[in-house]
Amino acid sequence: GENVEQHPSTLSVQEGDSAVIKCTYSDSASNYFPWYKQELGKRPQLIIDIRSNVGEKKDQRIAVTLNKTAKHFSLHITETQPEDSAVYFCAAPPKGSSNTGKLIFGQGTTLQVKP
Amino acid sequence: EAGVAQSPRYKIIEKRQSVAFWCNPISGHATLYWYQQILGQGPKLLIQFQNNGVVDDSQLPKDRFSAERLKGVDSTLKIQPAKLEDSAVYLCASSLMGGAETQYFGPGTRLLVL
Repeated sequence: GENVEQHPSTLSVQEGDSAVIKCTYSDSASNYFPWYKQELGKRPQLIIDIRSNVGEKKDQRIAVTLNKTAKHFSLHITETQPEDSAVYFCAAPPKGSSNTGKLIFGQGTTLQVKP
Repeated sequence: EAGVAQSPRYKIIEKRQSVAFWCNPISGHATLYWYQQILGQGPKLLIQFQNNGVVDDSQLPKDRFSAERLKGVDSTLKIQPAKLEDSAVYLCASSLMGGAETQYFGPGTRLLVL
């Protein structure tokens, strides 16, 4: 079935380094790409999102870039801190479902930031 | 603003038993989602409501799962009979209108089927 490919599945960085997570989607008409952070045993929470009319969006240490031609988007975290350690999920609308609210989530990336 | 509420938080049942989960979305949110999150995977949409109508239930195993949102506010998700593979966290989320906007998740119900 249709899915959103997310890589890597695990990522370990030293505190202060940058982390990059990449996702690939299949529907060129998709227009909304959120990123969620889920700490162990907690609920997923939106950290940033991007719409298809922009190529990049930044919020303090977090940025998301979108390449519509290649159909991939990436999460960039700079100056990582131990509290950034969590599982990160990307999501995108499935084919034919833009503007419906329906999302397919990636498999998740477990980020570990070592102090 | 109160967040999305869910109960119970944990449930252990034996296979072939039935179980029900409850969700109260953020006040004023028209759209409500139920997701299943199996350990180590991303959330998978089971059903989406817009007010009290079903928008999408294409991923809901209708032979054993059912859901309702009778008055367009609270929702219940039921499994009957449960199978071992139903062990997962069941997440409820809501959004203001549906569409390309933030979905706010509840704390989830962790189900273990023995």
